Amino acid sequence: KAGVTQTPRYLIKTRGQQVTLSCSPISGHRSVSWYQQTPGQGLQFLFEYFSETQRNKGNFPGRFSGRQFSNSRSEMNVSTLELGDSALYLCASSLAGSMRSGYTFGSGTRLTVV
Amino acid sequence: AQKVTQAQTEISVVEKEDVTLDCVYETRDTTYYLFWYKQPPSGELVFLIRRNSFDEQNEISGRYSWNFQKSTSSFNFTITASQVVDSAVYFCALGMGTGFQKLVFGTGTRLLVSP
Repeated sequence: KAGVTQTPRYLIKTRGQQVTLSCSPISGHRSVSWYQQTPGQGLQFLFEYFSETQRNKGNFPGRFSGRQFSNSRSEMNVSTLELGDSALYLCASSLAGSMRSGYTFGSGTRLTVV
Repeated sequence: AQKVTQAQTEISVVEKEDVTLDCVYETRDTTYYLFWYKQPPSGELVFLIRRNSFDEQNEISGRYSWNFQKSTSSFNFTITASQVVDSAVYFCALGMGTGFQKLVFGTGTRLLVSP
């Protein structure tokens, strides 16, 4: 059973650019959540998608957005990149998007903004 | 509000020593879940265990064991006979049983096991 796949693994972007990250969940899982990990703020929840609908959103500016496709794959977009957006972005796959069903994480995309 | 505290920033042990990682949580909800994840240098968060607030039974799985105590709001994790491969950052996380479904993570404990 394939795990959670995040692409690309590494990314370097310039301030002001935009970036799109991709996450393919475990087959059959309908929920994808995104987390940002930085040395200063730790792991913080960005948003969650379930069956193509954003169900929950964390406290991040509107520059951070996402979407989910009918095959449950999800993309996260960050526009007008800032240096502070440099982070490891992790996505989590869940069967039902609940604590009871648990969350499996991918290896992350490490974004560096220069 | 929910909060997870991992007071130990970094722990260094020598191989074969036992080590306990502490986790204290805060929540007003009666239904919640607690998790431990391991993050090796590769970056992936590896799931170790999940416990719900109604299940205080402690568990042993190989060299790993967990001690959940609601009375002290703690969910500690012990590695017996540590190995170099156990070197990683360990995160404790809290999630609500209902409502807003997100994980609230502690700041992590870096475990260094030297040969």
